Amino acid sequence: DTGVSQNPRHKITKRGQNVTFRCDPISEHNRLYWYRQTLGQGPEFLTYFQNEAQLEKSRLLSDRFSAERPKGSFSTLEIQRTEQGDSAMYLCASSPRGTGGYEQYFGPGTRLTVT
Amino acid sequence: KQEVTQIPAALSVPEGENLVLNCSFTDSAIYNLQWFRQDPGKGLTSLLLIQSSQREQTSGRLNASLDKSSGRSTLYIAASQPGDSATYLCAVRKRSFNYLQETSGSRLTFGEGTQLTVNP
Repeated sequence: DTGVSQNPRHKITKRGQNVTFRCDPISEHNRLYWYRQTLGQGPEFLTYFQNEAQLEKSRLLSDRFSAERPKGSFSTLEIQRTEQGDSAMYLCASSPRGTGGYEQYFGPGTRLTVT
Repeated sequence: KQEVTQIPAALSVPEGENLVLNCSFTDSAIYNLQWFRQDPGKGLTSLLLIQSSQREQTSGRLNASLDKSSGRSTLYIAASQPGDSATYLCAVRKRSFNYLQETSGSRLTFGEGTQLTVNP
């Protein structure tokens, strides 16, 4: 399968714990995005990488959130000191290199439940 | 700030009916608009991408139109089937003033979706 993959698919954690999610984009896609989706809402943008450079961060990305893409391939999203309000689906997407408005291809998401 | 609205929030139709889903956006300076399908608890599947210079795109029983000046897009589904039951989301990408920068123009802004149920 050559689509976007995310791990884990589900994560249950206790409030205050740290969690880390991984996203593997489609091979040779140089652009990678993270979104968060709560129940009944559309996804909201969190952050965007072009290769290894993090070019944009949403105000939703508080200082408890950090994202990396160290070698321009896979990316990780870490949430420190989780809160119940962090419970959501975390979606990763990628798009190919080049200029222009290319499609974003989404992974299956990681569902986080904070108890 | 770009805002995207989808109407109706939910729609229930009998199998075989043709239907239209609506999407409106407040800032017409968009690069493109994308329609997605989302099954319960799953990720998003891209259905159609319309560039700002295009008026419509078609894929099988799906047809999406774009009227950038009025800030509207529609997704037309012909001969609906129970397997079409899902949430349909539209998303717009803002046009950057300098496309080489690719900063604020990269994010997608989503509507809240239309939950479609096609009854057998």
